[in-house]
Amino acid sequence: DTGVSQDPRHKITKRGQNVTFRCDPISEHNRLYWYRQTLGQGPEFLTYFQNEAQLEKSRLLSDRFSAERPKGSFSTLEIQRTEQGDSAMYLCASSPSRDREFSTDTQYFGPGTRLTVL
Amino acid sequence: AQTVTQSQPEMSVQEAETVTLSCTYDTSESNYYLFWYKQPPSRQMILVIRQEAYKQQNATENRFSVNFQKAAKSFSLKISDSQLGDTAMYFCALVKKFDKIIFGKGTRLHILP
Repeated sequence: DTGVSQDPRHKITKRGQNVTFRCDPISEHNRLYWYRQTLGQGPEFLTYFQNEAQLEKSRLLSDRFSAERPKGSFSTLEIQRTEQGDSAMYLCASSPSRDREFSTDTQYFGPGTRLTVL
Repeated sequence: AQTVTQSQPEMSVQEAETVTLSCTYDTSESNYYLFWYKQPPSRQMILVIRQEAYKQQNATENRFSVNFQKAAKSFSLKISDSQLGDTAMYFCALVKKFDKIIFGKGTRLHILP
C-alpha cells in the first residue's frame, strides 16, 4: 500500500490557462475526495466520488472546475481559465468506506498539488 | 450546518512538556466522527487520532489523547512529552458517516528545544 499519490506536486501557470491534476487513491478505496487549502486555512471540501459517481459538489466548485473519476480508480481535477484566486493547495483523500453502521471512515490524504497562478 | 472551531491560532511549548489543543464543534447529527489531523511543514496531512461519537471512552494513541465531552461538543487534544517532531499545524475535524470532512482553521504548534 503506497498511499494516496498526486501529480504534479507543484504547478505554476499563467492566468487564463487550463490545468489538470491527477489523484491516485489507495487501491480498493471506493471513496475519493477533493479539498482546497489556502494559506493558513483548513482544507475546504470541493467534491467527492463513490466509485465513478460524483455524489456531491461544493458551491466553491465553479463552472470552471470539473472533476472525473473514470472506472472508479484515479481522479482528475481540471480548472479552466485559471484565475489568481485559484492559487491554493489541492488535496486529494480516499477512504475505504464500508457498508457497516459504525465504519471508521478515515480519510487518507495525498501530499497535495500546489497551484500558483501568475 | 456543521462547524468546527479552534480558538487557539498558535501555541508554543517547551520540548517534553504537555500541551492541550482546544476544539469545539456543532452538529445535529447523532452518528459522527471526530479527528485530529497533523500537517507538518512538508504539508502532508496525517491522521493523529480519531473518536467515534457513540463511544464514551476517550481515544488514546501513544502520547496523544483526547478529552471528548459530547454534551459540551468539545474535543481537545493532549500531547504528552512533546517532541520537536510534533511541530505542525493541527486540525480538528468533524465528519458524519461517509461524508466530507469539516475542518477547523487549525492551531499552529511550535515545540521549542
